[in-house]
Amino acid sequence: QSVLTQPPSASGTPGQRVTISCSGSSSNIGSNTVNWYQQLPGTAPKLLIYSNIQRPSGVPDRFSGSKSGTSASLAISGLQSEDEADYYCAAWDDSLIVVFGGGTKLTVL
Amino acid sequence: EVQLVESGGGLVQPGGSLRLSCAASGFTFSSYDMHWVRQATGKGLEWVSAIGTVGDTYYPGSVKGRFTISRENAKNSLYLQMNSLRAGDTAVYYCARVPRWLQLPDYWGQGTLVTVSS
Repeated sequence: QSVLTQPPSASGTPGQRVTISCSGSSSNIGSNTVNWYQQLPGTAPKLLIYSNIQRPSGVPDRFSGSKSGTSASLAISGLQSEDEADYYCAAWDDSLIVVFGGGTKLTVL
Repeated sequence: EVQLVESGGGLVQPGGSLRLSCAASGFTFSSYDMHWVRQATGKGLEWVSAIGTVGDTYYPGSVKGRFTISRENAKNSLYLQMNSLRAGDTAVYYCARVPRWLQLPDYWGQGTLVTVSS
């Protein structure tokens, strides 16, 4: 049981906009920043969004993050087949541990 | 180019020990916090430990008292000593670089597989 709650799956057709949620509590998302990671099949995770809303250089602007209260969201617009991957949110908790979401498997139909 | 290369994984019996290493290059290792994160086959990411630039360490309850993270800046190396291993510790173990200002990983290694089985 992960501390941060994500839907186990999401899907969309090419060109669509998809949103993945990440729900936490006042001790993690509510008081710390959120990162999002993309993990393509068979590879290591890659930083996708940091500090709630920032994109590292090289990440397409189709990917965007947001945070409100104790929840965060990752939005992917103009969905492409190469976006098919697992997506994870992460944050520090005030108890001095790092917590991850359980991951969301995105399928491009 | 940032590179993180893990090694030391393998098959170990329950109750046994294993020491993982992570060789870092392409950045000033001593200036970054470092984390270990694991992933069991078909499962999600689970944070295992963190070490700061001054040697401060952090662990979740699931490994506290069994795992020890350490670093050797002169060798650009990160380590994870794992004792009293259990079947539930079976996973791919990733080392990850963590900028102090970001506090969470920005670069990850490719991982090393640890299998705990008799």
